[in-house]
Amino acid sequence: GAVVSQHPSWVICKSGTSVKIECRSLDFQATTMFWYRQFPKQSLMLMATSNEGSKATYEQGVEKDKFLINHASLTLSTLTVTSAHPEDSSFYICSAHRTNEKLFFGSGTQLFVL
Amino acid sequence: KQEVTQIPAALSVPEGENLVLNCSFTDSAIYNLQWFRQDPGKGLTSLLLIQSSQREQTSGRLNASLDKSSGRSTLYIAASQPGDSATYLCAVSLGANSKLTFGKGITLSVRP
Repeated sequence: GAVVSQHPSWVICKSGTSVKIECRSLDFQATTMFWYRQFPKQSLMLMATSNEGSKATYEQGVEKDKFLINHASLTLSTLTVTSAHPEDSSFYICSAHRTNEKLFFGSGTQLFVL
Repeated sequence: KQEVTQIPAALSVPEGENLVLNCSFTDSAIYNLQWFRQDPGKGLTSLLLIQSSQREQTSGRLNASLDKSSGRSTLYIAASQPGDSATYLCAVSLGANSKLTFGKGITLSVRP
C-alpha cells in the first residue's frame, strides 16, 4: 500500500486564492520531504526541501513567499500556494525517504487555477 | 549542474517486443539511480534502484543497468505488454536522503 499520502488529488481554485496541499508519511517518520512540480510533458522539477522543525530550503527561482512550506511534524509537510494565478496550474508531488530506503512519492495534486 | 537526458521522448512498440530505454547523466559522481513509472495524472512508482556500487538490478521482466563511468543507464523490459504503457522516468541522486534530478521521461506505448 501507499507509504506517502498526498491530498487533495486535484483542486480547482479562483485566481488570487490560496491552496494547501498535504503530504503525509503513513508508517514512518520523515525528517525530510521534497516538493516537486511538473508541467505537461516536462520533467519533475524540485521546488524545495522540507525540513522538520526548521525552514525549508528552496531551489533557485522558486519564490518562498509564494510557496509556503510547513513541516511541523515528522509525518506531515504542507505546501501552500498563496495568491494562486493561472500560471501556477501544474502537477505538484511530494516525496519522502524511509530510512535507508528508496524515495517514496505521493500520488500528486493537479492544481487548476481559473 | 547535473543533467539527466532521456531519448527518445516517446516510443511505440508492438506487444511482446523486448525493449531498452536509455538514460544518460552528466555528472558521474552519483549516489544512486532510480527508474520510475508514471501513469497519466498519477504519482510515481519506483521500479528499480541501483546504488552507485552496483551494475544492475532486476525485478520480474525489468532489468536496469548502470555504467557510472560513462554516465549511462538502461532499463530493459522483456516481453512488453499493453499494461506497460506509461511514462518511464530516470532520476539520479548525489547523496543519501538527497534530492533527485529527473529526466523528462520516455512515454511508452505498447500496442496490442
